[in-house]
Amino acid sequence: DSGVTQTPKHLITATGQRVTLRCSPRSGDLSVYWYQQSLDQGLQFLIQYYNGEERAKGNILERFSAQQFPDLHSELNLSSLELGDSALYFCASSALTGGAGLFFGEGSRLTVL
Amino acid sequence: QQQVKQSPQSLIVQKGGISIINCAYENTAFDYFPWYQQFPGKGPALLIAIRPDVSEKKEGRFTISFNKSAKQFSLHIMDSQPGDSATYFCAASSYSGAGSYQLTFGKGTKLSVIP
Repeated sequence: DSGVTQTPKHLITATGQRVTLRCSPRSGDLSVYWYQQSLDQGLQFLIQYYNGEERAKGNILERFSAQQFPDLHSELNLSSLELGDSALYFCASSALTGGAGLFFGEGSRLTVL
Repeated sequence: QQQVKQSPQSLIVQKGGISIINCAYENTAFDYFPWYQQFPGKGPALLIAIRPDVSEKKEGRFTISFNKSAKQFSLHIMDSQPGDSATYFCAASSYSGAGSYQLTFGKGTKLSVIP
């Protein structure tokens, strides 16, 4: 158990809809990262937050947005969903002192029908 | 372009054999090279990591070999076991302070260890 909690584990929705994925980082971690993993694809970095502020942006679509709240949990909002958005979405957090890399949650599997 | 190239894409090894996965990077600013192990339906888990000031790091049956001049690093799994069957991702990172890593992942290697 990495200590990173993601909900929901599974989500099925229709094209055009909007969903919200939630992540609670490990206790004490201030950084939260979101990654997308499509079938047979690697891990694509979407966005990072540090203590409530956006720190780095990767290949995140304009239809997607994220935020980190004062209690450090984060939400990834996916809107106007398309079939191609079906993927595993992972959240990760990292320790303030560094050296131990990223700790990933178990992911949220999104299926867009 | 920050890239990490990983090979092979898939690997089948006999139980007890050695599994070798290779990665190459381009950006010399990378200063941290972790390997992640991912089982189906689970999130990636940090397996072992190395910094560029050492050429080898060993943890149990897992060894990272690092060649700074060639900008290459590899994961060796000795005495491979069926329980090692998973997807392995190499990554390269630059640490930007305050717990912030900019990780670039390879595309993964699906390892199957057959009895």
